[in-house]
Order: sequence, then structure tokens, then C-alpha cells
Amino acid sequence: GAGVSQSPSNKVTEKGKDVELRCDPISGHTALYWYRQSLGQGLEFLIYFQGNSAPDKSGLPSDRFSAERTGGSVSTLTIQRTQQEDSAVYLCASRSDRNTEAFFGQGTRLTVV
Amino acid sequence: QKEVEQNSGPLSVPEGAIASLNCTYSDRGSQSFFWYRQYSGKSPELIMFIYSNGDKEDGRFTAQLNKASQYVSLLIRDSQPSDSATYLCAVQSGGSYIPTFGRGTSLIVHP
Repeated sequence: GAGVSQSPSNKVTEKGKDVELRCDPISGHTALYWYRQSLGQGLEFLIYFQGNSAPDKSGLPSDRFSAERTGGSVSTLTIQRTQQEDSAVYLCASRSDRNTEAFFGQGTRLTVV
Repeated sequence: QKEVEQNSGPLSVPEGAIASLNCTYSDRGSQSFFWYRQYSGKSPELIMFIYSNGDKEDGRFTAQLNKASQYVSLLIRDSQPSDSATYLCAVQSGGSYIPTFGRGTSLIVHP
């Protein structure tokens, strides 16, 4: 696609439920990142994919968070047993092998009530 | 711990003035530097990147890098109200593929 696409744009879920967030990177981009941005805060790194593998998942805040990427393209970030502190905007970015610049999707705003 | 520091602001400048945004970083091995603009409620948008010491100009934007002093700055000439946004500095070390972001500086350009 022309840009990084994330879905859903907004998600409201009840505490304790599981959620899945989806990211469709720019076509041909092998690197994919997930970041989280809480209200008024900076970008917090979660996980980095190169192809289908995740060489750096050091930013995942707990074992309730997991992510996968299939076919070197679409990635899903899953949060199990959501908590109110998980409320944030989840941003996905992708980058090609030839460049270092990463481009962001529009984000998924997650609200846990 | 790799750190990227920015003054949170807000930085307020009149329309037509030069806005100067600064960023310092802790990792001397940093090699790639990026400026993103983020409008309220929107996602970050890449506006500039720089790899070498010195200045890089793109339209009204100039990125300045000084590796010896470990700072990178963004100058916006002829500032417009539409430039009002939060500007995020991101730094990436050599051998790392993970950009580290600062918390951003809020810029307000008033008519």
C-alpha cells in the first residue's frame, strides 16, 4: 500500500479482555516497529521485526503483550487480559532495508474501561 | 541507557520568525538522526533526517548536527501557524535498528 495502515483506528475494551491490533506496513518494507504513546508522553519502543523474526522485543512491558509477523508483511500486536494502564495509542512504523527512515501508521487508540 | 533529551516547551514564536528546536543525546555511537512532526491527535510524520556533521536544508527546514557536542537541532524559517505541532527528535545508534525518541518539543507559532 501507499502507507502504513493500522486497524482498528479506535478500540474500546473492557478490563480483562484480549485485544488484537493490526499493522500493514508499506509494501516491500522488511523492518517493522511497534511503539506505544501514552497521553502527553514520548514514544515507548515495544518490539522490532526484521522479516518474520523479532530480534528485539525488549520493550514489551509484560508477558501479556505479544506480537507476530507473518509473510514478512502484516503484524499483529496482542494484549491479553487488558488493564487500564494499557490505554494508549499504539503506533506501527516500517522501514525499507535500503534506508534508515521509518514511517508511521495513523495509530490505534486503545481505551481500556 | 540511551537517552534523547528535548525541552518540552512550549516554544512560542511569532509568525515569520525562525523557530529553533534542540535535542541532545547520550550515545556517542549514534549515527542516524531524525526529526518528526506530530500534530495533536495524529501520528508522527518524518520531516528531516541527517547523518553527517553540519547542516542539511530542505525548504524552510534546516537540520544541524554536531556529533562532538552530541546535539542535533531543527531550524524552521518563516514559521507559519501551520507549523504549530510537537517536534520529536529520534536517534539511532550504529549497529542498532531501533530509533530512540525524545519526548518532543511543543511549538506554537502565533499570528
